[in-house]
Formats: sequence, structure tokens, C-alpha cells
Amino acid sequence: AQKITQTQPGMFVQEKEAVTLDCTYDTSDQSYGLFWYKQPSSGEMIFLIYQGSYDEQNATEGRYSLNFQKARKSANLVISASQLGDSAMYFCAMLPWDYGGATNKLIFGTGTLLAVQP
Amino acid sequence: DAGVIQSPRHEVTEMGQEVTLRCKPISGHDYLFWYRQTMMRGLELLIYFNNNVPIDDSGMPEDRFSAKMPNASFSTLKIQPSEPRDSAVYFCASSPDRVTDTQYFGPGTRLTVL
Repeated sequence: AQKITQTQPGMFVQEKEAVTLDCTYDTSDQSYGLFWYKQPSSGEMIFLIYQGSYDEQNATEGRYSLNFQKARKSANLVISASQLGDSAMYFCAMLPWDYGGATNKLIFGTGTLLAVQP
Repeated sequence: DAGVIQSPRHEVTEMGQEVTLRCKPISGHDYLFWYRQTMMRGLELLIYFNNNVPIDDSGMPEDRFSAKMPNASFSTLKIQPSEPRDSAVYFCASSPDRVTDTQYFGPGTRLTVL
């Protein structure tokens, strides 16, 4: 079964420090995409970063980077220089590339609530 | 460019009433998705469309739920009759033109059924 696991229900980090949010996935597909979304208290889902299963380089977007370890099936999000505005729920998601079935079903983890402390 | 637009942002209704949620995807996006988020079940896909055609509605909970996409810039999710267990945040998302593309979410509609 395809599944995303986020083992950290909640985390604290001091402002300006780096933090790593864990994500492991389970799939038998060879091709897939991995995504991180941020959900602040206002409720919207904000796309942060994407990593394709065939990408050899770890994805980076500003202060966000994705530590992709394919053999371990992990896709951890690293936020550098945390800011108070980073306080939010963070979701890891996987999109299996089932071209034959043309499914576009994003599979989400349960999320990690990050609190940035001043 | 405008993102995904959803209306209303909040909806409070009584059990048995019909509820219609609306979504305008990002212009030029071929795929549109409806998700539901609850504390118990997290985020789950209800249905998605490609070029206005429903592709997979296996996530629609029951016949009380229906979704339409009459044109490329508008979709509705209807619940009739509504029940308290339908209370959730409903998200609409869209993505460009490939199965691998990133999905961009709207702000969501928070539905409360009393």
C-alpha cells in the first residue's frame, strides 16, 4: 500500500535556527513525485517544494530544501534560518506516476506542527 | 496571476440542507481536484477532472455528494442533503497539464453542518 509517514506530530525550533521535518514514504512505483505543503493557522495549503524520484539533486527553494534519500525512502524537509512566520502545519505528500491509469492522487501524511519560538 | 479561488470561505448550514461549494481553477490548468480535510481522516481526494471530464470519483463518500465542471473555469461540489459528519474543510486544487504536475490549492471552504 502507498503511504506517507510523518512521525513528528509537533516540533519546536528557535528563531534563526534550522529545523528538519521527517517524512518517509512507501511505494512500489519506480516513478513518483514528492511534495511539501505548508498550512498556516489561516488554513490555506501552500506549495513549498517538489522532488521527482529521478532527480539526482536535492531540490531547494529559498530557505527550503528537500533531503531526498531514495534508498531509505525518505524526503525530509529542511528549513534554514527559521522565522516566526514558519509556524504552521507541514504536510509531506507523494504523487505516484501511474501513467497507465492516469491517476493524480496525492497521498498526504498526517502533518507536523512546527512552532518557531522567538 | 490569480490563484485558485473558492467560495464561500465559510458556510454554516443545518442538517438536510443543500450545500454548494464553488471553485475557479488557475487559468490554463487542465486538472481540477476536490479534497476534504478532517481531523479524523486528514486530507483525502474526493474527485478530480481532466479537461472538464471527471476522471476518478472513487473518493466521493456517497451519493449525497456530486461534482460538476461545466467549463474550464468553474466547478461545483454539491452536498444534498447535508449531514453533521460532512463538516470539514473542502479544498479545490488545480494543476497544469501533466500527471506529474504540482497541485496548487485554493484557500478552502470551511463547512459546518449543524
